[in-house]
Amino acid sequence: AQTVTQSQPEMSVQEAETVTLSCTYDTSESDYYLFWYKQPPSRQMILVIRQEAYKQQNATENRFSVNFQKAAKSFSLKISDSQLGDAAMYFCAYIKAAGNKLTFGGGTRVLVKP
Amino acid sequence: GAGVSQSPSNKVTEKGKDVELRCDPISGHTALYWYRQRLGQGLEFLIYFQGNSAPDKSGLPSDRFSAERTGESVSTLTIQRTQQEDSAVYLCASTPQWIQETQYFGPGTRLLVL
Repeated sequence: AQTVTQSQPEMSVQEAETVTLSCTYDTSESDYYLFWYKQPPSRQMILVIRQEAYKQQNATENRFSVNFQKAAKSFSLKISDSQLGDAAMYFCAYIKAAGNKLTFGGGTRVLVKP
Repeated sequence: GAGVSQSPSNKVTEKGKDVELRCDPISGHTALYWYRQRLGQGLEFLIYFQGNSAPDKSGLPSDRFSAERTGESVSTLTIQRTQQEDSAVYLCASTPQWIQETQYFGPGTRLLVL
């Protein structure tokens, strides 16, 4: 069974600084997708970034970028120039290609200090 | 267009009562998913619909839980004889056929069983 592990329950970052969130996963599949979702207090799960396993190039979305290490089964998220609005829970998630269920990690709470 | 919507936003019920939670997916999205999020945890998969059929019900925790979907639109998750351990946020997501692996979430229903 696939598992996703986020080892950092909470991370704190100063406004305008950079923070990196860790995620590791376990799978026997070769074709899959990885995601980072943001969940603010409103509960809405917001898609931050998506990575296809067959792509070697790391995905980026504005201030958000990932470091995807397929062999190590690692998928970290870097938030650059942190803003107060980035404060939220961040979840790493995995789905196999043509799969129908996301497997989520336990989440990392990000606190942004002004 | 509009995103995934869920109702009610919050529901308080007494132990032993039945509850119905509703999800309206994004128009045109063929696949629909239900997840449960217990306090401070990641999301757990409950059930997946493709159209109005449910090929994967593997996450439903007991026979007190059931779900149905009308065509490619509204879905209802029903919990019978609610228990205190059913207290959680129930999130719905939908996916367009052409981006099968990317799920877009609604704001969830927070259920509290007293």
